[in-house]
Amino acid sequence: GQNIDQPTEMTATEGAIVQINCTYQTSGFNGLFWYQQHAGEAPTFLSYNVLDGLEEKGRFSSFLSRSKGYSYLLLKELQMKDSASYLCAVRSNRDDKIIFGKGTRLHILP
Amino acid sequence: ETGVTQSPTHLIKTRGQQVTLRCSSQSGHNTVSWYQQALGQGPQFIFQYYREEENGRGNFPPRFSGLQFPNYSSELNVNALELDDSALYLCASSTARGNEQFFGPGTRLTVL
Repeated sequence: GQNIDQPTEMTATEGAIVQINCTYQTSGFNGLFWYQQHAGEAPTFLSYNVLDGLEEKGRFSSFLSRSKGYSYLLLKELQMKDSASYLCAVRSNRDDKIIFGKGTRLHILP
Repeated sequence: ETGVTQSPTHLIKTRGQQVTLRCSSQSGHNTVSWYQQALGQGPQFIFQYYREEENGRGNFPPRFSGLQFPNYSSELNVNALELDDSALYLCASSTARGNEQFFGPGTRLTVL
């Protein structure tokens, strides 16, 4: 089966850096996704990692360690608009199903 | 390029009724996945359709069924609605084994 764990809530200050961790157990791995979801809206794609290492995209970076079943999303130069839920999701290589974690609600303080 | 659209936006039904939700995939995408998202939770995978065939299913009972049409649009049907079916239903489209899913705005279903 698959299990994804991420913190329920985090708080950070505008202009700072925050790291959101995600650990997973899966019966077959074919990629890890991060999505951002503002309240009342649909998730929007942020990043995809399938190989170990760091992927950087502007203020957002995502890291993957397959041997540790671990990923993090790093947000730099935080802005108030970054207040949202961040969803970690894993795709199985057996059936291509994408399983989501419960999400981390990030609060940005001025 | 047209994004993913869903209809209706909101829907109120009573227990025991049936509902059909619709999704139009993004241009060029042949794979559609449906998710149920309860308040404060992550999306839960219902099933995926690829070229009009069901291609993977989550832990949902058979009263959740779907269709995909030749133009790759899709329907989610739920029979014998229960109170716990109240949720946001999200449709996402992608290319086959694509690395990016594009989500529609969702349908908010309330079962009374």
